[in-house]
Amino acid sequence: QQKVQQSPESLSVPEGGMASFNCTSSDRNFQYFWWYRQHSGEGPKALMSIFSDGDKKEGRFTAHLNKASLHVSLHIRDSQPSDSALYFCAASPSNTDKVVFGTGTRLQVSP
Amino acid sequence: EAAVTQSPRNKVTVTGGNVTLSCRQTNSHNYMYWYRQDTGHGLRLIHYSYGAGNLQIGDVPDGYKATRTTQEDFFLLLELASPSQTSLYFCASSDADWGVNYAEQFFGPGTRLTVL
Repeated sequence: QQKVQQSPESLSVPEGGMASFNCTSSDRNFQYFWWYRQHSGEGPKALMSIFSDGDKKEGRFTAHLNKASLHVSLHIRDSQPSDSALYFCAASPSNTDKVVFGTGTRLQVSP
Repeated sequence: EAAVTQSPRNKVTVTGGNVTLSCRQTNSHNYMYWYRQDTGHGLRLIHYSYGAGNLQIGDVPDGYKATRTTQEDFFLLLELASPSQTSLYFCASSDADWGVNYAEQFFGPGTRLTVL
């Protein structure tokens, strides 16, 4: 079964700090990656996608993809208490329509 | 923004009971999904569908049936509920192309199911 491993399980950063999440996939067919964020009591919402090797920046959020190492990461600079949430990476292979989610990383940003 | 609604929001049943979870999306997306969310496991795909009448098997399908009656409506059925199916269930939709899925998914608010 295709898997996506996330690390760390939880993370605590001070307000204004940098938060970093990692995701490693098990299958080289994974080509399309998304990051989702879930606040308590809500459904996940998409943050950003990354489909090509390298960096992609959207505001305070930067995603990095290295397909050769099957690794994708997300970095949040100037973290805010409102960024406290559960973060998931999601991966889609190029040869099927299935989407696989990681196990999630819980972020706590303290004021 | 895509609208995905789920009902009920909370459900309690007993072991062996029948449960139907409902999901409706109003943006004419072709794909719809059912996930369960459990601590330590993240989101796991149960079943998904490309369109009305279509059903695809996900990664954790045992004990679940699903039916896509219209473009908008996707149902998850638990015919003999067990305590192991106690979980938070999410429905999602996306406007992906058939066969290759790189589109954003839009999630509903979730249904919390407890099987006693």
